[in-house]
Amino acid sequence: AQSVTQLGSHVSVSEGALVLLRCNYSSSVPPYLFWYVQYPNQGLQLLLKYTTGATLVKGINGFEAEFKKSETSFHLTKPSAHMSDAAEYFCAVTLYPGNDYKLSFGAGTTVTVRA
Amino acid sequence: DTAVSQTPKYLVTQMGNDKSIKCEQNLGHDTMYWYKQDSKKFLKIMFSYNNKELIINETVPNRFSPKSPDKAHLNLHINSLELGDSAVYFCASSQGTSLGEQFFGPGTRLTVL
Repeated sequence: AQSVTQLGSHVSVSEGALVLLRCNYSSSVPPYLFWYVQYPNQGLQLLLKYTTGATLVKGINGFEAEFKKSETSFHLTKPSAHMSDAAEYFCAVTLYPGNDYKLSFGAGTTVTVRA
Repeated sequence: DTAVSQTPKYLVTQMGNDKSIKCEQNLGHDTMYWYKQDSKKFLKIMFSYNNKELIINETVPNRFSPKSPDKAHLNLHINSLELGDSAVYFCASSQGTSLGEQFFGPGTRLTVL
């Protein structure tokens, strides 16, 4: 079975500083990996995903993530935080190929941005 | 042009009551999901339907019964509500049953008193 661990339940950054959110996964087969963002009182929105191919994935709003198989990691970064980045971020994994259709989510990381 | 919509957005009810949450998607997707997000924001899948067929049924009390009248709709009925059912319930949809992006609705905040 696959699982996701997000290191750090809360990250606080200054506006303009680097945002780094950590995600490690466990999977016995090549995973598909996702980062979702949840703004206050809203549903989840896909930021980016890794399926196959290039290991550095660019997403919306200036975010990117790098799949590192040797480290079983898929950390999310943004070079310069904006106030609007304050939200809850979820890393998720599913299997490919496989019969497991489920997305397994990490526990989430709350990002606050200081002016 | 809402993609995935849920009604109601807020639901406050007494213990023991029966309530339903409705979900509709206009994306033409063939797979729909129900997730429960608890007070600590942990997100867990409850059910999934593909072409109106139940394909995922997690360990959920049988007081929860999903119904999919067609591919665009997935409703969630909850009998005999308990305090522990208080949570935010999200509907989502995707094309196909594997991988891919899931599109989430805005959520229904259920409060059981």
